[in-house]
Amino acid sequence: DAKTTQPPSMDCAEGRAANLPCNHSTISGNEYVYWYRQIHSQGPQYIIHGLKNNETNEMASLIITEDRKSSTLILPHATLRDTAVYYCIVQTGANNLFFGTGTRLTVIP
Amino acid sequence: DGGITQSPKYLFRKEGQNVTLSCEQNLNHDAMYWYRQDPGQGLRLIYYSQIVNDFQKGDIAEGYSVSREKKESFPLTVTSAQKNPTAFYLCASSASRIEKLFFGSGTQLSVL
Repeated sequence: DAKTTQPPSMDCAEGRAANLPCNHSTISGNEYVYWYRQIHSQGPQYIIHGLKNNETNEMASLIITEDRKSSTLILPHATLRDTAVYYCIVQTGANNLFFGTGTRLTVIP
Repeated sequence: DGGITQSPKYLFRKEGQNVTLSCEQNLNHDAMYWYRQDPGQGLRLIYYSQIVNDFQKGDIAEGYSVSREKKESFPLTVTSAQKNPTAFYLCASSASRIEKLFFGSGTQLSVL
């Protein structure tokens, strides 16, 4: 599975959009981009995933560049409860998913 | 409610002791996984199972053992051979190996 690169930390003002970037320059054609988040001392929670097209659900939007080498997770109106570590991973049928250290998002009141 | 349950939430191990962490799911998922997380670090795969009675080693399987006798259960044993067992252990399941993962709430293991 391709590895990903994320900034270690970001801040976002409450009510504003949080844009979390992820680089996955070695992604292959059949690998999906998945996003999870982990609130302290809990298990990670699935947020969204995509292959080529942009995706939106009730939690977030995922923007994938045309060359698929990077993506951005967008939380449209960040709340204090969105403070967490966000993991971007790429996944293809393999089982060894590389979670890395993710991005620690802090939403500021 | 469907979900994945880990127990206990906190566990203490004495030197030379084996301990078993429980993971049960009622999501009817075929695939189950065990991850280890150290403070400030990402998740590392210990073992995974794609089907009953079959399991594979992950990156850091040494000092651990698993069984998959039932679809809904995937217990992890931390043996005395694991010299640095203090960590947060996470169990996950998925409908198949390409589907999203559902995680339990974790077990914090500490050494006395």
